[in-house]
Amino acid sequence: KAGVTQTPRYLIKTRGQQVTLSCSPISGHRSVSWYQQTPGQGLQFLFEYFSETQRNKGNFPGRFSGRQFSNSRSEMNVSTLELGDSALYLCASSLRETWETQYFGPGTRLLVL
Amino acid sequence: AQKVTQAQTEISVVEKEDVTLDCVYETRDTTYYLFWYKQPPSGELVFLIRRNSFDEQNEISGRYSWNFQKSTSSFNFTITASQVVDSAVYFCALNMLTFGGGTRLMVKP
Repeated sequence: KAGVTQTPRYLIKTRGQQVTLSCSPISGHRSVSWYQQTPGQGLQFLFEYFSETQRNKGNFPGRFSGRQFSNSRSEMNVSTLELGDSALYLCASSLRETWETQYFGPGTRLLVL
Repeated sequence: AQKVTQAQTEISVVEKEDVTLDCVYETRDTTYYLFWYKQPPSGELVFLIRRNSFDEQNEISGRYSWNFQKSTSSFNFTITASQVVDSAVYFCALNMLTFGGGTRLMVKP
């Protein structure tokens, strides 16, 4: 069974631009969660989607948004990029709930210049 | 508020030594889940264990073992006879919503 895939793997953007990251969960998994990892703040939960609905949300500004499609694939969008948005963005999937075992993708490394 | 503390930011051991990674958590929930993940240099988080708040049994899996104690709100992780391949950053998490700062383990040959 294929694992969680994320595209692109690396991305360079400039301040003020917007970016869209994509995540394909493990087949059969319906819950997709997104996390941000930075050296300063560590691993932080962004949001979680299930059945195309955002079910949980972390403490991030509205510039961070996401969505989930009917095939459980998910995208996250960051608008008006700031230097502090430079991070590794990780996507994870589980069968139904965030508290079930989550399997992570390789991440997208975003650099904002 | 929920909080996870991994007081050890970095640990260095020589191969074959035993090492324990500490995790202390705070929550007011009666039902919760604790996790350990490993992040090797490649960056991808690898699942190690999941434990719910009602199951305080210790668990052993090969060289890995976990000690869950609700009385002290701790969920510690021990690697027996460490190997160089164990070198990674280890994260403890509460409900996959709150993470500790991670412990970087370096195992030297």
